[in-house]
Amino acid sequence: AQSVAQPEDQVNVAEGNPLTVKCTYSVSGNPYLFWYVQYPNRGLQFLLKYITGDNLVKGSYGFEAEFNKSQTSFHLKKPSALVSDSALYFCAVRDIKVWTNAGKSTFGDGTTLTVKP
Amino acid sequence: EADIYQTPRYLVIGTGKKITLECSQTMGHDKMYWYQQDPGMELHLIHYSYGVNSTEKGDLSSESTVSRIRTEHFPLTLESARPSHTSQYLCASSSGGSELRQYFGPGTRLTVT
Repeated sequence: AQSVAQPEDQVNVAEGNPLTVKCTYSVSGNPYLFWYVQYPNRGLQFLLKYITGDNLVKGSYGFEAEFNKSQTSFHLKKPSALVSDSALYFCAVRDIKVWTNAGKSTFGDGTTLTVKP
Repeated sequence: EADIYQTPRYLVIGTGKKITLECSQTMGHDKMYWYQQDPGMELHLIHYSYGVNSTEKGDLSSESTVSRIRTEHFPLTLESARPSHTSQYLCASSSGGSELRQYFGPGTRLTVT
C-alpha cells in the first residue's frame, strides 16, 4: 500500500520569508513523488517531481523539493515567498512499479499556504 | 469512499476513430476535471468544469472536447484518435467551497494503434 501525509493543514508565512510545506510518504518499493498546486477554481497544476537522481528537485515558480529516503520525506520549499504563492498544495506518491495499485498516485489531503504581505 | 466512475477502463482503438470516455459521479459535485497522465509521470489538466454548461481548457493543450449537460456527467470526446493520444485519462471531481479535495476515478487507459 502507498500513502502520503501532509501534517499541516495550514502554513502561514510573511512575504519574502522562506517557506516549507511538509510531506512524508510510504510505499513498498521506490517512489515517484510529485507536488501540485491548486489555485481557486482551477484544477491541479504540476509543480515538480522526483523520479530518480539528484535528491534536490527544482520546479516551476522557484519551488524546489528535497527527497530524503531515510526520512521518507519530500518537503516543498521556496527561499522567498510571494503573496501570489498563496494556494492549496498537494503532495502525491506512486510506486515505481507501474503495475502496483494500477499505477495510480495517492494524494495527501493538501496544505493551504497563505503568504501575507 | 468516493463514487466516481469511468468507462471504459481500457480501450484499444485504431487511428481515426471517434471515441468518448465517460465519467460520472454521484456526489453532486459541481466541479469536475479531466487529467492526462503518461506512465510514471505527472498529471496534466486538460479540461475542467465549474458546473452545468461551464467548461474550460486546462494547462495541457488537447485535441479533445468535453461537455457538461448534467451535473453528474462529464464525457471527453476525441473526434479522430491518433497514436499520440495514447495515455491514461483520469477524471476527478470536487465539491468546491471549503472542501477542495479532489476525488479521482479509476482512469481509462487508452491505446491508439
